[in-house]
Order: sequence, then C-alpha cells, then structure tokens
Amino acid sequence: AQSVTQLDSQVPVFEEAPVELRCNYSSSVSVYLFWYVQYPNQGLQLLLKYLSGSTLVKGINGFEAEFNKSQTSFHLRKPSVHISDTAEYFCAVTRGSGGYQKVTFGTGTKLQVIP
Amino acid sequence: SAVISQKPSRDICQRGTSLTIQCQVDSQVTMMFWYRQQPGQSLTLIATANQGSEATYESGFVIDKFPISRPNLTFSTLTVSNMSPEDSSIYLCSVVTADGYTFGSGTRLTVV
Repeated sequence: AQSVTQLDSQVPVFEEAPVELRCNYSSSVSVYLFWYVQYPNQGLQLLLKYLSGSTLVKGINGFEAEFNKSQTSFHLRKPSVHISDTAEYFCAVTRGSGGYQKVTFGTGTKLQVIP
Repeated sequence: SAVISQKPSRDICQRGTSLTIQCQVDSQVTMMFWYRQQPGQSLTLIATANQGSEATYESGFVIDKFPISRPNLTFSTLTVSNMSPEDSSIYLCSVVTADGYTFGSGTRLTVV
C-alpha cells in the first residue's frame, strides 16, 4: 500500500516570497503523484501530476514540483506567492502500474499568504 | 478532462434521515470514487464504484450506511443513511480519465 506524509500542517509566508510545501511518500512499487488545491468552501483542483518522464513537473498558477525517487519526495514550490494562493494543498499518491487505482491523500498543508 | 456535476452542493439534515448525493459526469468513465472529508481533515476513500458491479468499500465503511448506485458510465449516487452529527462532512466524487483524477465540487453536509 502507498502512503503520503505532509510534514507541515500550516505554512505562513509573506506575499511575493517563495514557498515550498513538503510531501514524502512511501511505496514498494512505482507511483503516480499529485498535488491538489482546495480553496475555501470549494472542491479539489488538480495543480500538477507526475506520472513518468521528467522529474520536474510544472502545473497551473506558477506551481512546480520535483519528483525525487531517492528521497521519496514530491515537494511543491512557487517562486513568488500571491494572496490568492491562500488555500489548503493536498499531496496524493497512487500505484503507478496496473491501471489507475484508488488515491491516498496526505493530511494537507494550509498555506496562508500574508500581505 | 472530465467535468463533474455534483448535487446538492450543501444540505442541512435532521439526524436519523438519509441524503442521496448525485454525481453526473460529462463523459463515460469506468471507475468512480466517493470520498469523505471530515472537518479539518484530509480525504478518506469510502468506496470505489464500477459500472455493472457492486461497489467496493474501504475498511470502516459499510454498504448499509453508504449505499452506492452506479447505473451507467456517467452517473453515480451515494446515500448517507440514518445520519448522525458525526456524518457532517464534505462528500466528494471522483472519476478517472486519461488525464488522471478529477473531483466534483463536493457536497457539504451538516447533520443537526
């Protein structure tokens, strides 16, 4: 089975500063990895995903993430955050073979952008 | 990617009653998933629903409490039965497409 750990429950950051949201996963097989964003009172929106190929994945809204197999990490980064990035971010993992499987979510990181 | 319409978006229900949540997809999909997000927590998978077969429930979830229907490749329902305040959560459906996983906007349920 796969599992994912988000090390920070809350991350405050000043507007226009860079941010990194950490995610580590555990799996004995290959994985697909995802980052989702949830704005207040809304559902989940896919930011980016890693399926295969380049380990640096670029997503929407200026976010990117790097898949690091040796460190079993998939940290999310943005070089300059905006107030509108205030939301909760979820890292998720699923098995990367045998077709799409159920997704396991991390506990989420609340990003608070301070003006 | 697929577009999901989930209804209702929110509801306030009396304890002991049942609520059926609908999930309509704009394309045919094989796998659909139902998740629960309790207040302040992450998403937990309730069950996987494939068309033409019984839903597969995760540990801690049972069919009597969360019956699921999957009559065709574009539609599914989740019923929350005999509700208690502990069932107050956001319920989300999700589908798998070639692009990955897409989620509905969620149903925010409050049981009073």
